[in-house]
Amino acid sequence: ELKVEQNPLFLSMQEGKNYTIYCNYSTTSDRLYWYRQDPGKSLESLFVLLSNGAVKQEGRLMASLDTKARLSTLHITAAVHDLSATYFCAVGLLIQGAQKLVFGQGTRLTINP
Amino acid sequence: DGGITQSPKYLFRKEGQNVTLSCEQNLNHDAMYWYRQDPGQGLRLIYYSQIVNDFQKGDIAEGYSVSREKKESFPLTVTSAQKNPTAFYLCASSMTGAPSHEQYFGPGTRLTVT
Repeated sequence: ELKVEQNPLFLSMQEGKNYTIYCNYSTTSDRLYWYRQDPGKSLESLFVLLSNGAVKQEGRLMASLDTKARLSTLHITAAVHDLSATYFCAVGLLIQGAQKLVFGQGTRLTINP
Repeated sequence: DGGITQSPKYLFRKEGQNVTLSCEQNLNHDAMYWYRQDPGQGLRLIYYSQIVNDFQKGDIAEGYSVSREKKESFPLTVTSAQKNPTAFYLCASSMTGAPSHEQYFGPGTRLTVT
């Protein structure tokens, strides 16, 4: 059974600081997705990582994937208050044309002025 | 505008009643999915469908049923057999032929059963 673990689960940080969220998973997969969720809202896609060594950046966020270590990271550079949200990683398993996503527990990020 | 719609946004029901949540997409996606989210938790897969008139159980299908009579629609029924139905329900869809298989999510339905 595939398990996906994120850490930390809660992160409070100051504006301007850097930090990294880690996503470990238990079964081989080369498909990893990062989502953002604001309170009471749906999921917003941030990054799609489809191969070992994939790195993607958007603004102050950068995501990477190491399939051999079964690890993905989401790095936040010079955090700003607008990045406060819950961040989820999800590992994809292809099943006969559809894809099952297994989610981590989420990391609730709070950025203080 | 292309996208996924879910209705209603909020739903209140008495225990013992079945309730159906709507999910419609106009993205021409083949696959559709239903997830459940409990407070402070990640999403868990309830059911998914790769094609019309076919669907598969996910990890937590007990107490739920679905149908897929049209490509655009994938309604979810929460039956009285579901022991803890209060949750946030999210529908998603994806294009099966696309390399990324990226799933796009609807706005969600928040169900409260008392």
